[in-house]
Amino acid sequence: QLQLQESGPGLVKPSETLSLTCTVSGASLSSGRDYWDWIRQPPGKGLEWIGSIYFTGTTYYNPSLRSRVTMFVDTSKNQFSLNLSSVTAADAAVYYCGRRLNSLADPLDYWGQGTPVTVSS
Amino acid sequence: QSALTQPASVSGSPGQSITISCTGTSSDVGGYNYVSWYQQHPGKVPKLMIYAVTNRPSGVSDRFSGSRSANTASLTISGLQAEDEADYYCSSYTTSSTNVFGTGTKVTVL
Repeated sequence: QLQLQESGPGLVKPSETLSLTCTVSGASLSSGRDYWDWIRQPPGKGLEWIGSIYFTGTTYYNPSLRSRVTMFVDTSKNQFSLNLSSVTAADAAVYYCGRRLNSLADPLDYWGQGTPVTVSS
Repeated sequence: QSALTQPASVSGSPGQSITISCTGTSSDVGGYNYVSWYQQHPGKVPKLMIYAVTNRPSGVSDRFSGSRSANTASLTISGLQAEDEADYYCSSYTTSSTNVFGTGTKVTVL
């Protein structure tokens, strides 16, 4: 059974970099079959797609966040990660990681439980 | 990229059918057969309900169905039940090799 688990600091200071990791169990990132996503949801608001990464390190980002987002994969640890720089209060959200089977166009069929991030000094 | 447009809220009585629209452009909803729908109960993780416009994953009730006409996709819930009360989000792949979510619709069972 595929499982995803987000981890990282729950509190980030304004202007600093938010760093989160998603640990995958039940599947290998290096299988070459899947794409791995980050999605976020500000309190009381809707879902926002942040980006996707393939095991080769190829990335696809939301144009509105592209200048601040970096995603990378560590196949040895079966993890993928998100860095979001220069955070502001608008970046406070629950951050989810998820899996797309086979292609970037396929749906998110597995999600992590989500991790809340607060931006405050 | 702009979020796909959904009505903020839709309501119906138990047993009725409701339809949620998701309007995009020819660069997303109208461009590919890659529209999906997610259900999210308060405080819970989103759940995939429909993919590839019309397909239901295993385990999803056949009361949920999807369709599309031009740049607007729709999710119909038939035989509305109390457990269907939740937020619903559409999503589409785009011609820019990105994905985009809809603005979300709150479904209320009266």
